[in-house]
Formats: sequence, C-alpha cells, structure tokens
Amino acid sequence: GDSVTQMEGPVTLSEEAFLTINCTYTATGYPSLFWYVQYPGEGLQLLLKATKADDKGSNKGFEATYRKETTSFHLEKGSVQVSDSAVYFCALSEGGGGNKLTFGTGTQLKVEL
Amino acid sequence: DSGVTQTPKHLITATGQRVTLRCSPRSGDLSVYWYQQSLDQGLQFLIQYYNGEERAKGNILERFSAQQFPDLHSELNLSSLELGDSALYFCASSVLAGGPGETQYFGPGTRLLVL
Repeated sequence: GDSVTQMEGPVTLSEEAFLTINCTYTATGYPSLFWYVQYPGEGLQLLLKATKADDKGSNKGFEATYRKETTSFHLEKGSVQVSDSAVYFCALSEGGGGNKLTFGTGTQLKVEL
Repeated sequence: DSGVTQTPKHLITATGQRVTLRCSPRSGDLSVYWYQQSLDQGLQFLIQYYNGEERAKGNILERFSAQQFPDLHSELNLSSLELGDSALYFCASSVLAGGPGETQYFGPGTRLLVL
C-alpha cells in the first residue's frame, strides 16, 4: 500500500538557518504530494502541494519539488523564523475513487533565537 | 480559520461509553473526511463521505460509524470506547470527491480522552 516516510524529529535550528525536512513516498500510481503544518493546539493547514513530476510547490518561503525518479518531496526554506516552529507532515493522495491522505509521522521543528 | 467546524473541542468519557463527534464542512464542500491522530498510530484516515454517500474507508474500527446528512454536516459515532481510543479526531472537507491535488481543509479537531 501507499506509505510516506519522513525524517525523524525534533529538528532544532537557529533563526535564519536553512531548513530541509526529507520526505520519500511509496505509491502504486501517480500521487499528488502535500506538506501540511500543525501549529500547537491547532488543526492541520495546507502549506504547499504538487500534482505531477517536477512540479514545485511553494508558499511562505517554503518550497518542495516532486521528484518521481527519487520518489521524494523534500521541504526546504532558506531562512527559518521562530514563528515556523510547528509539526510538519508530508502526505500523499492517489485521488481516483476516493481522496484519502496518507501521512508521514510528522517532523517537529523548533526554531530558537 | 479553515471554515471547518468541529464540536465539541474536548470530550472526556469512560470506557464502554458512546460519543458523537460533529463536523460542519466549509460552505460548498461536498466531501467530508475523518482522521484519527494518536501518539502510537500517527495520523490515520478513517472514512470519507461525498454528498451523503460513503466514498472511501480506511482503518475504521467496527465500533466506529459515521454518516453525512442532507445538509452535508457529518457525525462520527464511537461506541464501546476503550482507553486506546483516546486521540485527536480531525474532520476535513473538500469541494469534490478527489481530483488530482484536491486540497482538504482541516477543522481544529476534537480531543477525546477515555478514562
């Protein structure tokens, strides 16, 4: 079945540091890929998405590129802020008859001054 | 604010009891999804409804059931509750049933604690 593997957290960075959170996936078809973010005490918010190979999703300084050859969708940001502290989830959906999201385990990011 | 509302925000109950969680999707969205977030299982898809009909089923226990009403709100019923059912239950909604890249919008969740 489908699965998503994310790097283990927590990740602790200093403000303005470069962020990479690795995500790889296994899917039978051609999934759409997503990054969701969960701030403390809140629900999940869509951060960015990509629907086909070589697509780049971007939002709020975050970027991720759909790499079919390496089945990856790594999240990057050039300069993190304290306000980026949250849990980040990589997810996929195969669409088709249903639209369930299959999530990775989540990576907690803590940004310090 | 995603536009998805869930009630109640918190629920504390005892083993063996039954509870109902309620979700109102964003205006115009026809699909509703339920997910369970727990420390040991992570975020797991439970079930999807589209315009009142069950569309997809995930790892939903037989003790759990859901439905979507004509006004498109949804309820998740959890019965014969066990300690292991303690989790955060999220509802999400989307416009249609699942085209490529269709975004799901998540509610704030209902935190269930079974004692």
